[in-house]
Amino acid sequence: EDQVTQSPEALRLQEGESSSLNCSYTVSGLRGLFWYRQDPGKGPEFLFTLYSAGEEKEKERLKATLTKKESFLHITAPKPEDSATYLCAVQGSGGYQKVTFGTGTKLQVIP
Amino acid sequence: DAEITQSPRHKITETGRQVTLACHQTWNHNNMFWYRQDLGHGLRLIHYSYGVHDTNKGEVSDGYSVSRSNTEDLPLTLESAASSQTSVYFCASRDTEAGTVYFGPGTRLTVT
Repeated sequence: EDQVTQSPEALRLQEGESSSLNCSYTVSGLRGLFWYRQDPGKGPEFLFTLYSAGEEKEKERLKATLTKKESFLHITAPKPEDSATYLCAVQGSGGYQKVTFGTGTKLQVIP
Repeated sequence: DAEITQSPRHKITETGRQVTLACHQTWNHNNMFWYRQDLGHGLRLIHYSYGVHDTNKGEVSDGYSVSRSNTEDLPLTLESAASSQTSVYFCASRDTEAGTVYFGPGTRLTVT
């Protein structure tokens, strides 16, 4: 059974204080690892897809990396508007219906 | 701009009633999904469809059904609502070329 564990559950940062969110996973035949951002009362918003170990992707202050066992979402010099819950998901063998989601990391960036 | 919408955004119903949640997307995506989100759980797949007249059960499908009569819509029906079905429901559609999934804004359902 595929599993995704995100840590920490919650993270409070000062504006400008860089940090990383962790997503540990076990999956049979990784087809893709996804990061989403979810604001309160809204649906998840797609950020990145990573397909193989060593791959990295960046968007503004966010950088996602992937190893064979975990992914990190690095946040550089965060701003209050980066406050959200960040979800990680993995797709194993089979179609997209095989995607397993983690429970998320709730990030709060304080001015 | 293309979008995915859900209605209603909030719904309160009584145990035993039939409830239908609507989902409409304007991207013309074949792949559509319904998830529920509960505290302490990741998003869990209820049903999914890969095209018109195609429907499949997900991880937590008991008590739910879907139908796909056109590309744009995938309504989710709770046959006889139960308190355990109180949750936030998200519809999603997937661009199979780009691999990007778009989620709707969600429906908060309370079963009393």
